[in-house]
Amino acid sequence: AQSVSQHNHHVILSEAASLELGCNYSYGGTVNLFWYVQYPGQHLQLLLKYFSGDPLVKGIKGFEAEFIKSKFSFNLRKPSVQWSDTAEYFCAVTPKAAGNKLTFGGGTRVLVKP
Amino acid sequence: EPEVTQTPSHQVTQMGQEVILRCVPISNHLYFYWYRQILGQKVEFLVSFYNNEISEKSEIFDDQFSVERPDGSNFTLKIRSTKLEDSAMYFCASSPSAGGLYEQYFGPGTRLTVT
Repeated sequence: AQSVSQHNHHVILSEAASLELGCNYSYGGTVNLFWYVQYPGQHLQLLLKYFSGDPLVKGIKGFEAEFIKSKFSFNLRKPSVQWSDTAEYFCAVTPKAAGNKLTFGGGTRVLVKP
Repeated sequence: EPEVTQTPSHQVTQMGQEVILRCVPISNHLYFYWYRQILGQKVEFLVSFYNNEISEKSEIFDDQFSVERPDGSNFTLKIRSTKLEDSAMYFCASSPSAGGLYEQYFGPGTRLTVT
């Protein structure tokens, strides 16, 4: 069975700082990878996804993530955060071979101070 | 933009009671899912549903749980006899297709409190 771990539970940073959230997964086969975001009071929304091809993927709102197969990692980055990036961020995977259930990491709460 | 909707937003029930959580998936989607998140824990997959039958379910989804698409638009999760440990946020999701290639669109969730 697959599992996903996110390194940080809470991150606090100031506006304009750079953000990097770690995500590692464990699975014996190939996976599709996702980052979801949940803004306060809102539902989970897709930030970006990786299925194949260029391991550096760009998502909405200036976010990007890099898939490093050898490290089983899919870290999320944003060069300069804004107060509106305050949210909880979830990394998730689905196995390519079969099934479509998402396995989520524990989430990282990001607070951006103005 | 089409959205997944869920009702109610908050449900309080007593232990042993039956609850039905309701979801309206995006209209042209074919796959439907329920996930839950117990406070302080990870979002966990419960069940996926396609073509009027369960396509996959987790160990959590035992005989106390059932899903149904009663009328072509709603997608419901029923818990027959609630337990304290069923208290959680329940998320419905839908996707146009399966195989992990398609984004799952999530609803806002129903917070279930079992007392």
